[in-house]
Amino acid sequence: DIVLTQSPGTLSLSPGERATLSCRASQSISSAYLGWYQQRPGQAPRLLIYDASTRATGIPDRFSGSGSGTDFTLTISRLEPEDFAVYYCQQYDSSPRTFGQGTKVEIK
Amino acid sequence: QVQLQESGPGLVQPSETLSLTCTVSGGSISSYYWSWLRQSPGKGLEWIAYKYHTGDTNYNPSLKSRAIISLDTSTNQFSLKLNSVTAADTAVYFCASGHFVFNDWGQGTLVTVSS
Repeated sequence: DIVLTQSPGTLSLSPGERATLSCRASQSISSAYLGWYQQRPGQAPRLLIYDASTRATGIPDRFSGSGSGTDFTLTISRLEPEDFAVYYCQQYDSSPRTFGQGTKVEIK
Repeated sequence: QVQLQESGPGLVQPSETLSLTCTVSGGSISSYYWSWLRQSPGKGLEWIAYKYHTGDTNYNPSLKSRAIISLDTSTNQFSLKLNSVTAADTAVYFCASGHFVFNDWGQGTLVTVSS
């Protein structure tokens, strides 16, 4: 199985600041088959990014993804109040599909 | 975008079978792949299985062949059965569309395995 390791575990920032979240894979992910999700408390995850850098339908352009191989990044350019949540990366290069353990973005 | 809603018992006895149904609205079950996932504090988000109406099916080997996913095109629903459950299967279970990324999700349903 491909293991995804996210860092940091928690990111404490203020609204308006830039957030940079990391996802590292245990082996190279071909064709950048990596996605990012946002999960707010009590809600299901919401797809933000697929193919490492393509925003899903309706996702604001302050969210961007980058990376290839084993290192991927989700950037939120300017944090809005609704962006404070937990973020997960997920690979679909191979089966089983696997998720990272999550990064919590909290209000500082 | 489709809407999904999970339904099923919230409490299952150890060694019994967990059975959940996902009702799809706003789209045909024949148009997409469908998946089940779960989330627990101890194991995080875990993909369980996916299926397409043509029969293409894939399971997470970690479930050790205990899971069965099925589609019912007549009711636009799909289901999950997980047998021989233990406390480790206690989780919030989600149904979702897709099999690469998971585009649309149900709200999730908590299933507790306990006597």
